[in-house]
Amino acid sequence: RKEVEQDPGPFNVPEGATVAFNCTYSNSASQSFFWYRQDCRKEPKLLMSVYSSGNEDGRFTAQLNRASQYISLLIRDSKLSDSATYLCVVNSGGGFKTIFGAGTRLFVKA
Amino acid sequence: NAGVTQTPKFRVLKTGQSMTLLCAQDMNHEYMYWYRQDPGMGLRLIHYSVGEGTTAKGEVPDGYNVSRLKKQNFLLGLESAAPSQTSVYFCASGAYGYTFGSGTRLTVV
Repeated sequence: RKEVEQDPGPFNVPEGATVAFNCTYSNSASQSFFWYRQDCRKEPKLLMSVYSSGNEDGRFTAQLNRASQYISLLIRDSKLSDSATYLCVVNSGGGFKTIFGAGTRLFVKA
Repeated sequence: NAGVTQTPKFRVLKTGQSMTLLCAQDMNHEYMYWYRQDPGMGLRLIHYSVGEGTTAKGEVPDGYNVSRLKKQNFLLGLESAAPSQTSVYFCASGAYGYTFGSGTRLTVV
């Protein structure tokens, strides 16, 4: 079993749709959680951290369920510019204990 | 504010050749990392450093060496390139929320 698992997609959605990405992790000692965005042929960029109480940044909402070892990212009112791969990232303490999921590809169509 | 700078951006090597990838960061980060990214496999840690003069192995260190002589620089070396090392290489720095360089696309033929 992979330490961090994501649905690879791709997700094809129309503009304005709401789309949700899910991620599960296997290490119950994991401490920090993030979502990164990676555009085609570009480097990953930090999208948002994920907090236990859930957090929102504009159209993006991240949630964490420690009991189920599950993280989610919700994108509301999708834009064409949201088309990218979304990486789930889990850290179990110390920068080198960071595991990246393989990513979920999103295509937003007009 | 450059962040993390990687050079070169592209390179084609013949099997058996050697090369060094350069990474520089201007954010005064202690932690630096080298990752490779292959289709369907996500980012895999090659080597990392927790400070100047220190290096350690990550998940896939074989065939690579690193050096961190100065805090701002982290070098990744391939002594004898193999086709299996064809990949996209990313340098990153930071303790938790990383900043990545723009990547090096390496092809070994």
